[in-house]
Amino acid sequence: SQQGEEDPQALSIQEGENATMNCSYKTSINNLQWYRQNSGRGLVHLILIRSNEREKHSGRLRVTLDTSKKSSSLLITASRAADTASYFCATNDYKLSFGAGTTVTVRA
Amino acid sequence: DTGVSQNPRHKITKRGQNVTFRCDPISEHNRLYWYRQTLGQGPEFLTYFQNEAQLEKSRLLSDRFSAERPKGSFSTLEIQRTEQGDSAMYLCASSTHRENSGNTIYFGEGSWLTVV
Repeated sequence: SQQGEEDPQALSIQEGENATMNCSYKTSINNLQWYRQNSGRGLVHLILIRSNEREKHSGRLRVTLDTSKKSSSLLITASRAADTASYFCATNDYKLSFGAGTTVTVRA
Repeated sequence: DTGVSQNPRHKITKRGQNVTFRCDPISEHNRLYWYRQTLGQGPEFLTYFQNEAQLEKSRLLSDRFSAERPKGSFSTLEIQRTEQGDSAMYLCASSTHRENSGNTIYFGEGSWLTVV
C-alpha cells in the first residue's frame, strides 16, 4: 500500500523562490526519506530523517518531521531551474512505500 | 561509477516475448530491491533480497515475473510472456541492512520496458 502521500501534486514557482511540499503517512515509521526524480531518470536520494529527529538540513534543503501528525515537509530554498523534478517521500520499515509525488517546475 | 547499475536502459519487445533486466548493486550492499513505476505514479515495490535470499514478493509480482540473485551480488528480473500492461520503468535499488537504523536506499537509473 502507498504510505507516503505528497501534497501538492504540482507546484510552479519562479527561480529564486522557495518551494514547500508536504508528505503525510499512515503508520508508525522508523525514518522517512525524500527523493528527487528528473523526468525519465532514476530516483536520487536527498535526505533521510529519523523518527526521533524533528528537523534536518542539507544544503538548500530543509526537512521537518512531525510524528504526532504523521507528516513531513521538504523546503527547497532559493530554487533553481535544475530543481525542476518530481519529489517523493517514502517511509521505511525495511522497504520504501512511495506516494505519487509532487512535480515541481521552476520557471527561469 | 560505483552506483547501482541497470541494463538494458531501454527495451522494446513484442507482446508474448520474454525479457530480462539486470541490476548490479553497490558492491557492499546486502539488500537489493526491485520496483516498478508507471507514468505519473511513484515506484511500487515488487520484491527484495537480502544477500541471495528473496525475502518478500509483492502481489504485483505475478507468476510471469521471476527475480533471482544467485550469488548475492547482481540480480535479474525476468518477465515471461510480456503483456502491454507490463510497460513501465523497472527500478533496482540497494542498501545495507543495519538493525534499528535508517538504511538509505540507492536507486539505479531504471530500465524502460515498452511492450508493443
